Amino acid sequence: GEDVEQSLFLSVREGDSSVINCTYTDSSSTYLYWYKQEPGAGLQLLTYIFSNMDMKQDQRLTVLLNKKDKHLSLRIADTQTGDSAIYFCAERGNDYKLSFGAGTTVTVRA
Amino acid sequence: ETGVTQSPTHLIKTRGQQVTLRCSSQSGHNTVSWYQQALGQGPQFIFQYYREEENGRGNFPPRFSGLQFPNYSSELNVNALELDDSALYLCASSKGQGGAVDTQYFGPGTRLTVL
Repeated sequence: GEDVEQSLFLSVREGDSSVINCTYTDSSSTYLYWYKQEPGAGLQLLTYIFSNMDMKQDQRLTVLLNKKDKHLSLRIADTQTGDSAIYFCAERGNDYKLSFGAGTTVTVRA
Repeated sequence: ETGVTQSPTHLIKTRGQQVTLRCSSQSGHNTVSWYQQALGQGPQFIFQYYREEENGRGNFPPRFSGLQFPNYSSELNVNALELDDSALYLCASSKGQGGAVDTQYFGPGTRLTVL
């Protein structure tokens, strides 16, 4: 079965970089995703990476993938108060369904 | 381009009742997936519909059922509601062709409370 694990909480000072980590177990994962969820809202797709890549950069977001260790990270540069939210890592296997972690709550302090 | 929409936004039901939740997929998308998100947890896959057929199911009992219509909108039906069914129900649509275009985009969710 699939298992995705994330640390539950991260506190970061405004302007600093945030790094959210995720590990997964399914070696057949094809794509890995990062979604953001604000209170009372649905999931907003932030970025994704194909499993044969090791890095993807998109403006303030950098995704690193270590396929050997099944480790995924999301770095947010220059973290702002609007970045406070829950961040979910998800992996997609050959069956197209997404398996999510429990989410990392990011709190940005002034 | 219209995003994924869901209705209703909130719903309160009592144990044993039945509920129908609705989802309209994003323009150009033919695949709809449903997820259940309990409080404090990540979303759990319920099932997926592709071109009106169920295309995979998670670990949910048969009282969770669905439909997809020719316009690719979808319904999630839950019979014999239990207290543990209280959750945010998320619908996601995608192009269903595999690869990067199969990325799932989520609606705002329906918050179901079972009393």
